[in-house]
Amino acid sequence: DAGVIQSPRHEVTEMGQEVTLRCKPISGHNSLFWYRQTMMRGLELLIYFNNNVPIDDSGMPEDRFSAKMPNASFSTLKIQPSEPRDSAVYFCASTGDRGNQPQHFGDGTRLSIL
Amino acid sequence: GQNIDQPTEMTATEGAIVQINCTYQTSGFNGLFWYQQHAGEAPTFLSYNVLDGLEEKGRFSSFLSRSKGYSYLLLKELQMKDSASYLCAVRDVLTGGGNKLTFGTGTQLKVEL
Repeated sequence: DAGVIQSPRHEVTEMGQEVTLRCKPISGHNSLFWYRQTMMRGLELLIYFNNNVPIDDSGMPEDRFSAKMPNASFSTLKIQPSEPRDSAVYFCASTGDRGNQPQHFGDGTRLSIL
Repeated sequence: GQNIDQPTEMTATEGAIVQINCTYQTSGFNGLFWYQQHAGEAPTFLSYNVLDGLEEKGRFSSFLSRSKGYSYLLLKELQMKDSASYLCAVRDVLTGGGNKLTFGTGTQLKVEL
């Protein structure tokens, strides 16, 4: 079975540019999560969706960040304009409704803003 | 809110046993997960506890005490490949649907010869 698929795997861009990260969750999973991981702050939840609806976006750092989930098989995280402090690894994860189901993570996008 | 504490680093010897502790405070506890994360890779699921007691899975076991807000991950017969970061994560049940995980900062385990 295919796992969570993220693209791109790596992105290097200059500050001020728009960055779009993409995620395809595991088929049948109805919850999708976007995380950011840095050495200083660890793994932080940015936003999560349940049945394509954003449930909690309290972790989104500021208005420069936005996320969408137009359908059950696709989500995007957008940063506009990007800043050097946004440099991190961004993970997408998905899970289903059963109580003991863990979240499954994609391979992440390593983002560097110059 | 959530507060999850685990040691930052631990070192152990190949073949030995190591216990990684995690304490937490939460309002809507609905399970505790342990994940393993090798450098440059994604976190991968190791174990899940929702009731008090010990869950054993091969060389790895995880224990939970809900009344004490405490869990540990026990790794036996350590191998060099077990060198990784181990993340404790607590799940809350929230109104509106879905389940939210809050992760600790991770314990970096180094296995030495």
